[in-house]
Amino acid sequence: QVQLQQWGAGLLKPSETLSLTCAVHGGPFSGYYWTWIRQPPGKGLEWIGEVNHDESTTYNPSLKSRVTFSVDTSRNQFYLNLNSVTAADTAVYYCARGLPAEPFDYWGQGILVTVSS
Amino acid sequence: EVVMTQSPATLSVFPGERATLSCRASQSVSRNLAWYQQKPGQAPRLLIYGASTRSPGIPARFSGSGSGTEFALTISSLQSEDFAVYYCQQYDNWPPYTFGQGTKLEIK
Repeated sequence: QVQLQQWGAGLLKPSETLSLTCAVHGGPFSGYYWTWIRQPPGKGLEWIGEVNHDESTTYNPSLKSRVTFSVDTSRNQFYLNLNSVTAADTAVYYCARGLPAEPFDYWGQGILVTVSS
Repeated sequence: EVVMTQSPATLSVFPGERATLSCRASQSVSRNLAWYQQKPGQAPRLLIYGASTRSPGIPARFSGSGSGTEFALTISSLQSEDFAVYYCQQYDNWPPYTFGQGTKLEIK
């Protein structure tokens, strides 16, 4: 059974960089697109972007200037960096598995990241 | 960007009754539409993809319909575990993939 496990810092100050890791267990890493999605408290879901095993990336245009994805295929892990955070970046961040033009079938447990001075 | 609009925002239904949730796309997404269920404190769970195909393990009381710009999720006989927030998502035109704002299904 595929499982996605996430971790990272949960409290940041404005202007800092958000860094999260997602590890893939129980399934192949290659051949899929690994996605980050966020959800502000009490609100809906926003797709941040996706990365595949050879680090081909697609970003949401609204966040593209501040987001970087990377992967470590030896560890079956992928990473999110979001720089210059503000309070508007406070959200639960999820990692998920997908394919181009396909829905997201497996999700991580989510991490609440709070940006506050 | 394809804007997804869900209605109603909140739906109150008695257990055992049928619930129908709607999702509209700002432009055609063909049948590239998914539905997710989210319970408090949990990640979304994929229920339906391809507008009408149930994900493995999803009970038959969940059904999806529609194509183009108009879609619906129907739950035929509501069970207690079905009360949650439901999101639609289009994966026809990206970036970005986009979600509706959600419909909260609550017990009447």
